[in-house]
Amino acid sequence: DVKVTQSSRYLVKRTGEKVFLECVQDMDHENMFWYRQDPGLGLRLIYFSYDVKMKEKGDIPEGYSVSREKKERFSLILESASTNQTSMYLCASSFPGTISTDTQYFGPGTRLTVL
Amino acid sequence: AQTVTQSQPEMSVQEAETVTLSCTYDTSESDYYLFWYKQPPSRQMILVIRQEAYKQQNATENRFSVNFQKAAKSFSLKISDSQLGDAAMYFCAYIYNQGGKLIFGQGTELSVKP
Repeated sequence: DVKVTQSSRYLVKRTGEKVFLECVQDMDHENMFWYRQDPGLGLRLIYFSYDVKMKEKGDIPEGYSVSREKKERFSLILESASTNQTSMYLCASSFPGTISTDTQYFGPGTRLTVL
Repeated sequence: AQTVTQSQPEMSVQEAETVTLSCTYDTSESDYYLFWYKQPPSRQMILVIRQEAYKQQNATENRFSVNFQKAAKSFSLKISDSQLGDAAMYFCAYIYNQGGKLIFGQGTELSVKP
């Protein structure tokens, strides 16, 4: 089974802090994604990566950056956390290539609260 | 722009009954996939069912089936013989060709009454 893990289930940070959310997948997937989930809005894509050291902006990249130094690890960085970044953050991974393999596998999520 | 709409924020079903969750989408693409994901209270999002747009036959997975109406851009999920473990948030999602970007609906929270 594909396993996607996230470093924390719950995280509480203060405004202005630098925050790192880590995601690791164990299935050698090329693609990795970061979403935030808010009630009534579904999941919105923040950033994604098709390969090591490669990143592309999603729909809501403002206030975030990412790092992918190794294939299995994709980090989401909040350079200066703000209260409007309080949310659930979900990481996902998938194979590239044909659409039949584009199923995304999700991690358990990190509930981030910024005070 | 591609969008996915789930118009039912909450649904409720009696155990052993059947329930249908609605989803509509908007796209100009012809080659795409549609998904239903389930997010139980434990929060791990899992794939329920997937439908290829070029296939006319509706996808089924045990008690879960879809009604895919391509012309109407509708993709509803039917859960038969509902079980307590089906209680979760359900998300409809769309991906086109090899775009790699899943577009999600707002979600429908399903509760199952014993």
